[in-house]
This record gives sequence, C-alpha cells and structure tokens, in this order.
Amino acid sequence: DSGVTQTPKHLITATGQRVTLRCSPRSGDLSVYWYQQSLDQGLQFLIQYYNGEERAKGNILERFSAQQFPDLHSELNLSSLELGDSALYFCASSVAGLPETQYFGPGTRLLVL
Amino acid sequence: GQSLEQPSEVTAVEGAIVQINCTYQTSGFYGLSWYQQHDGGAPTFLSYNALDGLEETGRFSSFLSRSDSYGYLLLQELQMKDSASYFCAVRGGGGNKLTFGTGTQLKVEL
Repeated sequence: DSGVTQTPKHLITATGQRVTLRCSPRSGDLSVYWYQQSLDQGLQFLIQYYNGEERAKGNILERFSAQQFPDLHSELNLSSLELGDSALYFCASSVAGLPETQYFGPGTRLLVL
Repeated sequence: GQSLEQPSEVTAVEGAIVQINCTYQTSGFYGLSWYQQHDGGAPTFLSYNALDGLEETGRFSSFLSRSDSYGYLLLQELQMKDSASYFCAVRGGGGNKLTFGTGTQLKVEL
C-alpha cells in the first residue's frame, strides 16, 4: 500500500459524458501527478500540482482538467469522453523536491462505451 | 524533449541474473529512476540514480553513466514474482515532469 488513494476503482460510462476521478496523496506529500496508461502505451504524464498550484503540464487534452484542493486531494475531470479515453488513470504523489520518487495510487480503470 | 529507449521484452529463468538497459536523451538531466509494474497493478518505485555508479538495494541494483546517457537495472536471483514490466524514467527539461520509457516486460520462467 503506497498510501495514495484513488476513487473510483472502476468507471464505465458512455461517449460524450463527463467523469471526475479523485486522488488523495500520501500524508505530507504536497505534489500530485496524474498519468494516463492505455493498453499499448506506457505512462503518459498529464499534469502536476504542487500545494494547490499547477506546476507542470504534459500532453493533456483540452477536454481534461484538474485541480488540487486546500486539503491537497486532487481531482481529474474528463469531459466529452471518447472511446479512445478508455485507459488506466493513475495518480501519484511525491515529497517536495523529489519528483523522481513517486508513489502511485491503485488507479482508476475507465471504460468509455 | 525527453526520450528513453529500453527493450520491449526480456525472458530469463528463475535464479538467473537479468539486466534491463535504458538509454535516454534529455536536456537538464537530473537522474534516472526505475519503476516496477505488475499486470493490472500500479507502478512501484524501485530506485533512483543521480550520480554515476551502482546503487544496490537487496536483489536489485541500478547503474548510471551520465557521460553515456545510459543506465541499467540488474535483477539477481530472479523469482517468479519478478515477472512484471520495468520502466526507466527521467526528469529533464527544467521541470518536475517525469518522462517514462515504454517499459520492458520481464518474463521469469521455471
């Protein structure tokens, strides 16, 4: 158990819908990262937040957005969902100044039908 | 940008030693990390090398050569439970973003 929690574990929805994925980092970690992992792809970095502020952005689609709240939990919002958005979405957290050492949550498996 | 290259698949027998190589291209290199991911599971941090040389953690060791932009993960006394995907990752380009390689699937056979 990494100490990072993610909900829900599984999500099935239809094209065009909007979903929200939730992540709580390890106690004391200020940084939260979001990744997408498709079947035939590696881990694609989406976005990072540090203590409530956006710090780094990857190839995140405009239909996707995220935020980190004062209690440090983070939400990833995916809208106008397409079939190709079906993937595993991971959240990770790290200690300040050590982004190389990330602790991953169990992931949310999203299936868009 | 950053790019990493690692073999897609490696097969070895239980009890053997296996080396998974990773070459990288990045600007503003900080260090090389390794992660393990079992099928359907979350990536788990294994090791991080910021300086040249070998770091040992139990059966796993990781090596870095900054001048060659190259590193490897060495797994000794292989066990069936080591069957997993292994990813190298770098932070570069002046930010906190980690770029992961495409992963090496290790199959350990009897």
